[in-house]
Amino acid sequence: GENVEQHPSTLSVQEGDSAVIKCTYSDSASNYFPWYKQELGKGPQLIIDIRSNVGEKKDQRIAVTLNKTAKHFSLHITETQPEDSAVYFCAASSYRGQNFVFGPGTRLSVLP
Amino acid sequence: NAGVMQNPRHLVRRRGQEARLRCSPMKGHSHVYWYRQLPEEGLKFMVYLQKENIIDESGMPKERFSAEFPKEGPSILRIQQVVRGDSAAYFCASSPATRSSYEQYFGPGTRLTVT
Repeated sequence: GENVEQHPSTLSVQEGDSAVIKCTYSDSASNYFPWYKQELGKGPQLIIDIRSNVGEKKDQRIAVTLNKTAKHFSLHITETQPEDSAVYFCAASSYRGQNFVFGPGTRLSVLP
Repeated sequence: NAGVMQNPRHLVRRRGQEARLRCSPMKGHSHVYWYRQLPEEGLKFMVYLQKENIIDESGMPKERFSAEFPKEGPSILRIQQVVRGDSAAYFCASSPATRSSYEQYFGPGTRLTVT
């Protein structure tokens, strides 16, 4: 089955700097890759996603890139702010409507 | 438009008791997924349901756990004879029943503590 790895497990950046989180997946049939942000005591919030027919997607300060050949995808956050501090999870799914396989998470701390 | 609703938000049970977790999907969504999150870990898939049907229960423990999504009312995740290892956050997610939609939207979770 699918296996998703995520690095780093913790990341500290200064406010205004960029943050990059990387994930790899094992199942070449995976075709949908969402990213979630989870704040303490809350449920995961979908922040951006990408499908396998696209190499890059951007939404304001957040971007995701996908390399299907290498089976990895990355989350890029620019101009980080303290409110970006949270745990970020990547996930992969091999077909619509089925379960997501999540990475173990990255705890991002943005230092003022 | 209300999001995914889960209740209770916190549930304390003694070993051997039953836990019932409820999930109401977003309006217009007919697909429900349950995930479990242990402290400091990622989310693990448990079960995927549509109205009155279990589509995929490959992540459900074979014993004590069951799920349903009746024609009327919320989806229920039921844990019988709880043990300390069942202590975790349980999240429900929903998605619309359209070919073009892959997204899953999560509720706030139910935090189960077994004493």
